[in-house]
Amino acid sequence: GNSVTQMEGPVTLSEEAFLTINCTYTATGYPSLFWYVQYPGEGLQLLLKATKADDKGSNKGFEATYRKETTSFHLEKGSVQVSDSAVYFCALQNNAGNMLTFGGGTRLMVKP
Amino acid sequence: EAGVVQSPRYKIIEKKQPVAFWCNPISGHNTLYWYRQNLGQGPELLIRYENEEAVDDSQLPKDRFSAERLKGVDSTLKIQPAELGDSAVYLCASSPRDRGHEETQYFGPGTRLLVL
Repeated sequence: GNSVTQMEGPVTLSEEAFLTINCTYTATGYPSLFWYVQYPGEGLQLLLKATKADDKGSNKGFEATYRKETTSFHLEKGSVQVSDSAVYFCALQNNAGNMLTFGGGTRLMVKP
Repeated sequence: EAGVVQSPRYKIIEKKQPVAFWCNPISGHNTLYWYRQNLGQGPELLIRYENEEAVDDSQLPKDRFSAERLKGVDSTLKIQPAELGDSAVYLCASSPRDRGHEETQYFGPGTRLLVL
């Protein structure tokens, strides 16, 4: 079956530091890949997505590249801000375009 | 455009009591999902609707959970009776297309349930 594995948190960084949150997946076929962000007390918001190999999703300074050869979709940002503090979820969506399978989430804490 | 609306935002009940959650998806979205998110974990799908039809309810504990989506718009998720282990955040999401197409899911703020 499908599965998503993320690095465990919390990840604590100082403002303007470089961020990487690792995500690897197991799936049959060619899934679409997503990063969602969950701010305290709120629902999940789509951060970025990629639908095929070598695609790069980007939004708000965050980037992730769909690497089929390593089955990875690592999230990166060059300079984090305090406002980026949240829980980040990697997810995949199967070929039929319905069910999302989520990783366990990674909490990011950015200190001023 | 209004997002996915859920109510209530918080609910505290005693075990063995019934509880219901309501979701209004984004206008025009045919597909509706209910997820459960346990503390410190990612969401897990409970049930998916295409219009008013439940097309995937394999993860729904049918002995105590039920859901409906009358007229293919709003949806209600019910638990009766609630157990301590049902404490979680219940998320509703919607997407615009029918089965067979990849479409982004948009999530509501969730209902945080605490069973005492």
